[in-house]
Amino acid sequence: AQTVTQSQPEMSVQEAETVTLSCTYDTSESDYYLFWYKQPPSRQMILVIRQEAYKQQNATENRFSVNFQKAAKSFSLKISDSQLGDAAMYFCAYRESGGGADGLTFGKGTHLIIQP
Amino acid sequence: DAGVIQSPRHEVTEMGQEVTLRCKPISGHDYLFWYRQTMMRGLELLIYFNNNVPIDDSGMPEDRFSAKMPNASFSTLKIQPSEPRDSAVYFCASSFRGSLVFGPGTRLTVL
Repeated sequence: AQTVTQSQPEMSVQEAETVTLSCTYDTSESDYYLFWYKQPPSRQMILVIRQEAYKQQNATENRFSVNFQKAAKSFSLKISDSQLGDAAMYFCAYRESGGGADGLTFGKGTHLIIQP
Repeated sequence: DAGVIQSPRHEVTEMGQEVTLRCKPISGHDYLFWYRQTMMRGLELLIYFNNNVPIDDSGMPEDRFSAKMPNASFSTLKIQPSEPRDSAVYFCASSFRGSLVFGPGTRLTVL
């Protein structure tokens, strides 16, 4: 079974600074998707960024970028120029791209605090 | 597009009562998922459908839980009878290619 591990229960960063959230996963598959979801206090799950395993180029979305290390099974999220609105729980998630286990497997989450 | 729609947003009920949660996925999405979120267990996949057919219900905690998807635009998750340990936030999500889009969730409290 696939597992996703987020080793940082909580992170704190000063507004306008850069922060990196860690995620590792375990799988025997070669083709899959990885995601970062954000859950603010409203509890809405919001997709932040997505990475296809076959792509070597790291995904970026404005201030959000990932460092995808396939061999090391590592998928970290970097948030640049942190803003107060970035404060939330961040979940790393894995999904196989083919048939079989089609649901997302989530990590336990990292609570990100933004210090003004 | 209105996104994934869930109702009710909040539900408070007494132990032993039947609870029905509802979900309308995004039009054109062929997968529908039901997740449960608790502080202790995090986000758990309960069941998912592909083209209205249940594919994997191994995450359903016990026979008190059941889910249906009678058509492409509607799904229900039913708990009968409900117990206090069922208190959680229940999310419905749909997808087409890879990324899941989540609904706002239903916060269920069983007294």
